[in-house]
Amino acid sequence: AQKITQTQPGMFVQEKEAVTLDCTYDTSDQSYGLFWYKQPSSGEMIFLIYQGSYDEQNATEGRYSLNFQKARKSTNLVISASQLGDSAMYFCAMREAGSNDYKLSFGAGTTVTVRA
Amino acid sequence: SAVISQKPSRDICQRGTSLTIQCQVDSQVTMMFWYRQQPGQSLTLIATANQGSEATYESGFVIDKFPISRPNLTFSTLTVSNMSPEDSSIYLCSATSPGAGELFFGEGSRLTVL
Repeated sequence: AQKITQTQPGMFVQEKEAVTLDCTYDTSDQSYGLFWYKQPSSGEMIFLIYQGSYDEQNATEGRYSLNFQKARKSTNLVISASQLGDSAMYFCAMREAGSNDYKLSFGAGTTVTVRA
Repeated sequence: SAVISQKPSRDICQRGTSLTIQCQVDSQVTMMFWYRQQPGQSLTLIATANQGSEATYESGFVIDKFPISRPNLTFSTLTVSNMSPEDSSIYLCSATSPGAGELFFGEGSRLTVL
């Protein structure tokens, strides 16, 4: 069964505007971690932001913030003040507590294109 | 944090040949993983590289096709054997340690099989 669902295959955003990327997850664990990665066309995976399941506040990291709704099992990424360099693929991922070897499950990804 | 270097960064290979990808981490890490990303797709875990023992493969991946070595805490190799065009992908090495939080990735090795 799909553990991470990203329903938006592609999004367009105007430069300097904000964009929200959706991510829902499925787990029966109480303890888990949620990650967002950025993958530019060059291929490397860049870690953006992390949310732990027990974190009471939404994570923020510069222009990146998460809208974490635990009851709904969703963790949406908000990129504020978009820049042309934000054009990339964005992946949501989860690590479950039962995964003693720290494996991540990735969603299908969302392509973001920032327009000037 | 950990810096991960992969070689080669890209290669074009002939059908039926094998290619070995090297992954070097700049610090000792507990866990190393190999992921595959087929064109336009998400990342799929191939295996966990275990130091000094056989790798742990995920469903759908076998040792004969993807032999993996990890002789020490900072180095691992993935071989893609008897390649076919379906093996054209980005192969990503990743690593982490307990308490590190995130999973660090190398730049990826982009393979094209003709």
